[in-house]
Amino acid sequence: DGGITQSPKYLFRKEGQNVTLSCEQNLNHDAMYWYRQDPGQGLRLIYYSQIVNDFQKGDIAEGYSVSREKKESFPLTVTSAQKNPTAFYLCASSISSGAGGIDTQYFGPGTRLTVL
Amino acid sequence: QQPVQSPQAVILREGEDAVINCSSSKALYSVHWYRQKHGEAPVFLMILLKGGEQKGHEKISASFNEKKQQSSLYLTASQLSYSGTYFCGTVHSGNTPLVFGKGTRLSVIA
Repeated sequence: DGGITQSPKYLFRKEGQNVTLSCEQNLNHDAMYWYRQDPGQGLRLIYYSQIVNDFQKGDIAEGYSVSREKKESFPLTVTSAQKNPTAFYLCASSISSGAGGIDTQYFGPGTRLTVL
Repeated sequence: QQPVQSPQAVILREGEDAVINCSSSKALYSVHWYRQKHGEAPVFLMILLKGGEQKGHEKISASFNEKKQQSSLYLTASQLSYSGTYFCGTVHSGNTPLVFGKGTRLSVIA
């Protein structure tokens, strides 16, 4: 079955620690995205990648970093510089290398990160 | 620029209709609609493209008014399964990323 997997579903970390969220897709999609979701805020774009070894900042990239070494993988690191990291993180992918104008985005199940 | 959705929340009885609006202050290239159940991933509903026609399937349809820079999602004869938060996402040109609104929480009660 093709899809997007994110692990773990729940993650707890102490303040000041970096943490990496996993996102893998076997849909053979070129583009991948990371969103952050807070209550009442909708989905806000953190980073996106249209092709391997390239990525662009979204609206709220500060305190986050990404890599795209393989087509199927797009891990997100939440660094200690992120002031308020507790949130629901969603990864998505779309078929083409365009930034999203006409392509459906498929979402993973999400990771809920809690920083204590 | 984040699109504005209205209403923020709505409660319906089964069988009633609802309209959710999505407005942008900039010209739109496309509008995407998603539905999210609590704690789950958003699920794609439909895309409307600039110059395209109204879309729909079953009892959920949408329109795209390019002049007014807005889109509306129509839910007719609502069912309990329609409950969730509906998000519109807007794209302003072919090579810019999707920007989501804050969502409209829809609750359908028996």
